[in-house]
Amino acid sequence: DGGITQSPKYLFRKEGQNVTLSCEQNLNHDAMYWYRQDPGQGLRLIYYSQIVNDFQKGDIAEGYSVSREKKESFPLTVTSAQKNPTAFYLCASSLDRAVGYGYTFGSGTRLTVV
Amino acid sequence: GESVGLHLPTLSVQEGDNSIINCAYSNSASDYFIWYKQESGKGPQFIIDIRSNMDKRQGQRVTVLLNKTVKHLSLQIAATQPGDSAVYFCAEPRTNTGNQFYFGTGTSLTVIP
Repeated sequence: DGGITQSPKYLFRKEGQNVTLSCEQNLNHDAMYWYRQDPGQGLRLIYYSQIVNDFQKGDIAEGYSVSREKKESFPLTVTSAQKNPTAFYLCASSLDRAVGYGYTFGSGTRLTVV
Repeated sequence: GESVGLHLPTLSVQEGDNSIINCAYSNSASDYFIWYKQESGKGPQFIIDIRSNMDKRQGQRVTVLLNKTVKHLSLQIAATQPGDSAVYFCAEPRTNTGNQFYFGTGTSLTVIP
């Protein structure tokens, strides 16, 4: 079945540690996105990538980094520079708007600082 | 900042009643809107979408209405069931050319058995 797989489902990070969240899709979507969700808030865009080897900052990119070496994969690294990383992280992918988007989300990774 | 808002943060309905969830958007040029359902601890699931050349679109037990005059969307759920309990988001494109979306803060729907 086609879809987006995020792993791990739960992740614990110690102070000062970098952690990487995985996102893989087999939908043949060109665009991929990372969102952060905090309680009672909407989804905030961290980074997005329209095509392999290219990505842009979203609204809250500070303290995060990404790579897009393969069409299927868009990992997110939460660095020690992110002072408040505890949140629910969602990865999404889509087609181009010209062909109807097909915006699809993964099941999320809950990151907690310990 | 976000350009999509919702009128009510919470909504409680009796099982079997119809539910209406509202959403306001800010960009009159937005050409496409999506409604998502998010259950606790899960990723958002696509419910229904609508393009700006339509006023209404129906799915299975759901209907989306678009009023471009007042920049307002609504999601109607017929015969609401306990499984409909979730947070519902609307989304609109961030720009007129890109693929990124703004998402509302969500309305939490609780279905009372």
